[in-house]
Amino acid sequence: EVQLLESGGGLVQPGGSLRLSCAASGFTFSRYAMRWVRQAPGKGLEWVSAISASADYIHYADSVKGRVTTSRDNSRNTVYLQMNNLRVEDTALYFCAKAASTSYGDGSAYHFGSWGQGTLVTVSS
Amino acid sequence: EIVLTQSPGTLSLSPGERASFSCRASESITSNYLGWYQQRPGQAPRLLIYGASSRATGIPDRFSGSGSGTDFTLTISRLEPEDFAVYFCQHYVDSPPTWTFGQGTKVEIK
Repeated sequence: EVQLLESGGGLVQPGGSLRLSCAASGFTFSRYAMRWVRQAPGKGLEWVSAISASADYIHYADSVKGRVTTSRDNSRNTVYLQMNNLRVEDTALYFCAKAASTSYGDGSAYHFGSWGQGTLVTVSS
Repeated sequence: EIVLTQSPGTLSLSPGERASFSCRASESITSNYLGWYQQRPGQAPRLLIYGASSRATGIPDRFSGSGSGTDFTLTISRLEPEDFAVYFCQHYVDSPPTWTFGQGTKVEIK
């Protein structure tokens, strides 16, 4: 069974930093792209970042570009989201998600196949 | 930037009824990259449909997706109590790589 367990969230002041982690199990982590998605309280879903299986492709949403860094450690089955210069509008539940497949030809890999339960980031003074 | 607009915002139905709701893209999109997700209260989203019409593993056949171009639809043939949730559509574009979600449709018990 696929399991994704996020951690590292908390309360931080504007301008502060946090490092989120997502520990994966139940699948061959090194074969799958991983992504981060956030959800502000009572709001919809917003994609944050994506990292390919071997970390050779990394992409960010414009709303966080220059302030966050995504990385992964395939030996630890873990993906990270380093968040700097946090803003009030970054307050959200942050989910990590696994690509639905390794097949890019039919487009299935571009979907979010499994999700963790999320870790809450609150940016407030 | 492609915008996904879902309608209606809220759908009030009874168990056993058919639910159908829309995801409209601001310009024509690739069906392979269109997905639907269900989010129950307090839970993470779950992939229902990928490639506009393919059911994800373990998804009951009462869920079906259709559409092409700019108009896509998710249909639930007979609502079960566990289907009352929020549904999001999602699309990917590759120049630059970007994932976009619709704002969601809430299916509530009438």
